[in-house]
Amino acid sequence: DADVTQTPRNRITKTGKRIMLECSQTKGHDRMYWYRQDPGLGLRLIYYSFDVKDINKGEISDGYSVSRQAQAKFSLSLESAIPNQTALYFCATTSGANTGELFFGEGSRLTVL
Amino acid sequence: GENVEQHPSTLSVQEGDSAVIKCTYSDSASNYFPWYKQELGKGPQLIIDIRSNVGEKKDQRIAVTLNKTAKHFSLHITETQPEDSAVYFCAARPNFGNEKLTFGTGTRLTIIP
Repeated sequence: DADVTQTPRNRITKTGKRIMLECSQTKGHDRMYWYRQDPGLGLRLIYYSFDVKDINKGEISDGYSVSRQAQAKFSLSLESAIPNQTALYFCATTSGANTGELFFGEGSRLTVL
Repeated sequence: GENVEQHPSTLSVQEGDSAVIKCTYSDSASNYFPWYKQELGKGPQLIIDIRSNVGEKKDQRIAVTLNKTAKHFSLHITETQPEDSAVYFCAARPNFGNEKLTFGTGTRLTIIP
C-alpha cells in the first residue's frame, strides 16, 4: 500500500460546486502539504500543516481551504470551484523542518467545467 | 522570494547517452537543492539532493553539481535507460523549512531507444 494516499484520483465537476480532496498517510509524520501542479509552472504550495492544530497558507491559498482531521489526514476543499482550478493536486508529507525528503501521493486530477 | 529557473523544458536523448538539466536560483540564503523525478501517473519522488557545503554528489548513474557563487546547480544522468524517461524537477530552499521549497518548472526527459 502507498504511504500517501489521495482520493479521488480523478474528478470532473462543474463551476460553483464544492469539492473535497482527501489525503491520508501512514508514515507517522506530523508535517503535511498540499501542492498544485500546472503544465509549465511546476509545483506550487497551497497550504501546509505542522500538526493538527497548526494550519498555514502557502503561496496560492486563495479559493482553497484545508482541514487537518488527524495526524494522518489532511483534506483540501474548493468551496466554489472555478475552471482555472483545473489542475493536478498533490499531497505530501515529511518528518521535520530540516528533513530533506517530501513523500508525495500519486495525485488527484481535477477538471472544473 | 526565491525564484528557480529550469532548462530545458524538454530533452530527448539517445539511450546510452548522457542528459544534463540545469537550474538557477536567486536567493543566496538557499542551502538545500533536491531533485525530484515524476513518472507518468505518479507523484514526484526524490532521487538526489545536495547541500551547500559540497559541490558534487553522485549516486550510481546520477550526479548533481552545485556552484553557489553562480547560483546554479545541475543534474547529470549518464548511460541513460528507457526507465529514465520522466519529468524532473529541481528545487531550492534555505536550511530549514520545506514550506519554503521552491520548485523549478520541470524538464520532460525522453530516452529514445
